[in-house]
Amino acid sequence: GESVGLHLPTLSVQEGDNSIINCAYSNSASDYFIWYKQESGKGPQFIIDIRSNMDKRQGQRVTVLLNKTVKHLSLQIAATQPGDSAVYFCADRYTGNQFYFGTGTSLTVIP
Amino acid sequence: NAGVTQTPKFRILKIGQSMTLQCTQDMNHNYMYWYRQDPGMGLKLIYYSVGAGITDKGEVPNGYNVSRSTTEDFPLRLELAAPSQTSVYFCASSLWPGTSGTSSYNEQFFGPGTRLTVL
Repeated sequence: GESVGLHLPTLSVQEGDNSIINCAYSNSASDYFIWYKQESGKGPQFIIDIRSNMDKRQGQRVTVLLNKTVKHLSLQIAATQPGDSAVYFCADRYTGNQFYFGTGTSLTVIP
Repeated sequence: NAGVTQTPKFRILKIGQSMTLQCTQDMNHNYMYWYRQDPGMGLKLIYYSVGAGITDKGEVPNGYNVSRSTTEDFPLRLELAAPSQTSVYFCASSLWPGTSGTSSYNEQFFGPGTRLTVL
């Protein structure tokens, strides 16, 4: 099956610094990727997505980078705020309508 | 719009009991999904549906059943509950399954989850 993993299970950053969360995927046929944010006790919330024909996409304070050569995805959060503290998941799609989620990285923002 | 609603929020079952987790969405989405999330882990797809009357297995379907008689509702049935089914269950819906060029069409909206314990 698909293996979507994150390099670091936890990440602590100072408020105002930039955060980078990494994700590796194993299937070169993956054509669509999503980053989700999950706050404690809540369901995941969509942050940003990227298609396999792109290598970069920007949103509000967030940027996703896709490197298909090494099957690597990253989420960059600019000027990290306390409200960004959460678990972040990457997910990819490569068979039909199924999405495969990584284990997650827990981001803690230190005030 | 209420979005995606799930009931119950919490449930404790004894081994061998059955129950149905309810999921309703009011966004007229064709695609609906059931995931389970074990502690400290990512989400695993149990079943999904591409429209009323059409369902398909995901990554971990064993021990579960679903039906989709209407666009709005996608209940998940657990038959003969086992301790391995202790988890948090999330229902989600989307307009498209990731094939639209418009991000908002692909976005999966999640419900608040049902925390299930099987003892």
